[in-house]
Amino acid sequence: EPEVTQTPSHQVTQMGQEVILRCVPISNHLYFYWYRQILGQKVEFLVSFYNNEISEKSEIFDDQFSVERPDGSNFTLKIRSTKLEDSAMYFCASWTGASGSSKNIQYFGAGTRLSVL
Amino acid sequence: AQKITQTQPGMFVQEKEAVTLDCTYDTSDQSYGLFWYKQPSSGEMIFLIYQGSYDEQNATEGRYSLNFQKARKSANLVISASQLGDSAMYFCAMRDRDSGGYQKVTFGTGTKLQVIP
Repeated sequence: EPEVTQTPSHQVTQMGQEVILRCVPISNHLYFYWYRQILGQKVEFLVSFYNNEISEKSEIFDDQFSVERPDGSNFTLKIRSTKLEDSAMYFCASWTGASGSSKNIQYFGAGTRLSVL
Repeated sequence: AQKITQTQPGMFVQEKEAVTLDCTYDTSDQSYGLFWYKQPSSGEMIFLIYQGSYDEQNATEGRYSLNFQKARKSANLVISASQLGDSAMYFCAMRDRDSGGYQKVTFGTGTKLQVIP
């Protein structure tokens, strides 16, 4: 079964450093997302991306965050200058974009645990 | 704004018994979708089951079924014949539309299920 792949599984960084979280969505999917889950809390939407541009971003997704689809397969989330409160699990998800019950599913990657020290 | 409510922060169930995890939602959309995801202690987000608002029958996937009561705006997950491996966090989520008209997922706060041998 196709899956969303995220690397690395765990990233440790110093406060103020830049990090790039990488995702390979399912190959025929057209819509891509990043979500964040702070430890012990619920999953929060960060940003949606379609047709090489941001479709919507949440208030969490400030100027320190950016997303990019640098080639036909990767989808990245960059945090320019990490803060302690950026420590969380980051999930990438993708959706085919087709309608119909069996196709209206966002598939999630296994997540990248970001630890900012 | 869409909202998902899970009122059970934690649940216990005896192995081999059935358990129901509650979820209520609020939306003004006519077309929407409801999901359940499982998050084991390892952190990944695993899709379990999906129910579209226009689906006439309740969704089922193996031991998982979704008790969809549209008038009550509830979408409870029923796990039959619980197994020790079912111990995890369970999130109810709703597909809604972002400002671009594309789907994003809004999550509830989750229910931690522990299966007792």
